[in-house]
Amino acid sequence: AQSVAQPEDQVNVAEGNPLTVKCTYSVSGNPYLFWYVQYPNRGLQFLLKYITGDNLVKGSYGFEAEFNKSQTSFHLKKPSALVSDSALYFCAVRGSPNFNKFYFGSGTKLNVKP
Amino acid sequence: DVKVTQSSRYLVKRTGEKVFLECVQDMDHENMFWYRQDPGLGLRLIYFSYDVKMKEKGDIPEGYSVSREKKERFSLILESASTNQTSMYLCASSSRDRVNQPQHFGDGTRLSIL
Repeated sequence: AQSVAQPEDQVNVAEGNPLTVKCTYSVSGNPYLFWYVQYPNRGLQFLLKYITGDNLVKGSYGFEAEFNKSQTSFHLKKPSALVSDSALYFCAVRGSPNFNKFYFGSGTKLNVKP
Repeated sequence: DVKVTQSSRYLVKRTGEKVFLECVQDMDHENMFWYRQDPGLGLRLIYFSYDVKMKEKGDIPEGYSVSREKKERFSLILESASTNQTSMYLCASSSRDRVNQPQHFGDGTRLSIL
């Protein structure tokens, strides 16, 4: 069965510090993994994806994510957080072998304090 | 860029009314999805469609139906609205064949049932 877990409901970080938002997944076959960001009263915006190849994936707004196959993790990172990064972040995996569906984590609220 | 457009950002309806939420995408995507998002519950899939006139139930289809008469348009119908259907509704689309591509989301409809 496919699933995604985001173990932290909330992550607090000071502006300028590095941030990590955690995600672990379970999927049969090769994983297609995605991170999205959601600002208040808006839809989800695509940030980055892992398909295959380099384990460090770079995306929008200075975010990157580290894929670790042995730990089945895909953690979102940013070297220096901004107050404007405060938002809700979702990790998702595309289903396998039924690629029509996506499975989302429960979301992590990132608070960046000035 | 992919654009997913939901017809209303905010909607207020009364209990018992039949409510239509409309979604249009402009990228010729085969797959379209309706989710609802509630605090603490993440994204829950209501219905999805992988082709015109095709639909599949998601995790919480009770009280909802859908219509997909044209490839670009996917409608969510609340047959007889109830107060427990007050929520944020998100429409998304994705390519069926390009499995390395993410879902793309609309901005959401915040629906209040009085």
